[in-house]
Amino acid sequence: AQKVTQAQTEISVVEKEDVTLDCVYETRDTTYYLFWYKQPPSGELVFLIRRNSFDEQNEISGRYSWNFQKSTSSFNFTITASQVVDSAVYFCALSEGGAGNNRKLIWGLGTSLAVNP
Amino acid sequence: ETGVTQTPRHLVMGMTNKKSLKCEQHLGHNAMYWYKQSAKKPLELMFVYNFKEQTENNSVPSRFSPECPNSSHLFLHLHTLQPEDSALYLCASSRPTTGGGATNEKLFFGSGTQLSVL
Repeated sequence: AQKVTQAQTEISVVEKEDVTLDCVYETRDTTYYLFWYKQPPSGELVFLIRRNSFDEQNEISGRYSWNFQKSTSSFNFTITASQVVDSAVYFCALSEGGAGNNRKLIWGLGTSLAVNP
Repeated sequence: ETGVTQTPRHLVMGMTNKKSLKCEQHLGHNAMYWYKQSAKKPLELMFVYNFKEQTENNSVPSRFSPECPNSSHLFLHLHTLQPEDSALYLCASSRPTTGGGATNEKLFFGSGTQLSVL
């Protein structure tokens, strides 16, 4: 069955620490997309990244980086030199490929990150 | 600012009330979504509209009634709700999907309406 697991419910770090948020997924498809979204206290989820299953290159965007490992079905997210503004709930999601109404967007439960000054 | 505006931000209603949630997007998208976010549960997709047509109803009780008069506006009409319906209701938009509730497009979310049913 399709599933997204974010094992870390809450993480607390001190500013400037590096932090990695884990995401493990299960799917039977060979074509799928993985996403990360950020939900700050204001409520709206903000898109961070989309990665398709055929692109295993790691990605870096400023202080953010993502490590996609198909061999372990993981798509982990690292924040380098964390800042207070990074405090939010982070969601990982899986969208399977293929056509028709059987595709689903599966969400993890989220990891609440608190970055303390 | 994501380009998706939801009103009201907070709503308290009794079980016999009728109220409506409103969502407006200024992104030129043609797909709009209602999601329910409850504590300790994954985001639950409720409804999807593509080009004003409902393409997904995820077994949502009839006390929730969506309306999409045009591609920029989405409403969720509420009546005779239950306390367990208390949650954050999020609206999202995207480029059109080809079917179902899954999309490979990135979603743009509003800030949500925090609903409390007494």
